[in-house]
Amino acid sequence: AQTVTQSQPEMSVQEAETVTLSCTYDTSESDYYLFWYKQPPSRQMILVIRQEAYKQQNATENRFSVNFQKAAKSFSLKISDSQLGDAAMYFCAYRRGQGAQKLVFGQGTRLTINP
Amino acid sequence: NAGVTQTPKFRVLKTGQSMTLLCAQDMNHEYMYWYRQDPGMGLRLIHYSVGEGTTAKGEVPDGYNVSRLKKQNFLLGLESAAPSQTSVYFCATQLTTRYTFGSGTRLTVV
Repeated sequence: AQTVTQSQPEMSVQEAETVTLSCTYDTSESDYYLFWYKQPPSRQMILVIRQEAYKQQNATENRFSVNFQKAAKSFSLKISDSQLGDAAMYFCAYRRGQGAQKLVFGQGTRLTINP
Repeated sequence: NAGVTQTPKFRVLKTGQSMTLLCAQDMNHEYMYWYRQDPGMGLRLIHYSVGEGTTAKGEVPDGYNVSRLKKQNFLLGLESAAPSQTSVYFCATQLTTRYTFGSGTRLTVV
């Protein structure tokens, strides 16, 4: 079974600084997708970034970027120029290739932004 | 706005009571999922459906039942609630690699 591990239950960063959240996963599949979701206190699940395993190029979305190391099965999220609105729970998630595929989530990392 | 609506948003149950959580979507998505979120454990899949009239078990199905009689609705039932089912429940739909989540239901079983 696929597993996703986030080893940092909590992280904090100064406003305007850069922070990296870690995620590792275990799979024997070659076709899969990886995601980072943000969950603010409102509980809403917000997609931050998505990475296709077949793409070597790391995905980026404005201040958010990933470091996808396929051989190491590592998928870290870098947040640049941290803002107060970035404070939230962040979940790493994995899904297998095509069709109806469940998301497998990590335990989550609570990110605090210090003004 | 199009999306996923969960009702109710909050509920307190006594041990042994039953209830049904409703997930309604207006996006015509085939695939729907029920997750529970517990501190330190992320979201775990309870049951899912790949289309109207179909359901399947996920990672933690015990104590729950589901039904998808209509494509737009996915119901999660607790027949005899237990304190271990205290959690936040999320419904999600899927279209290709895009998932749309409801805003969750916080359930407390006392």
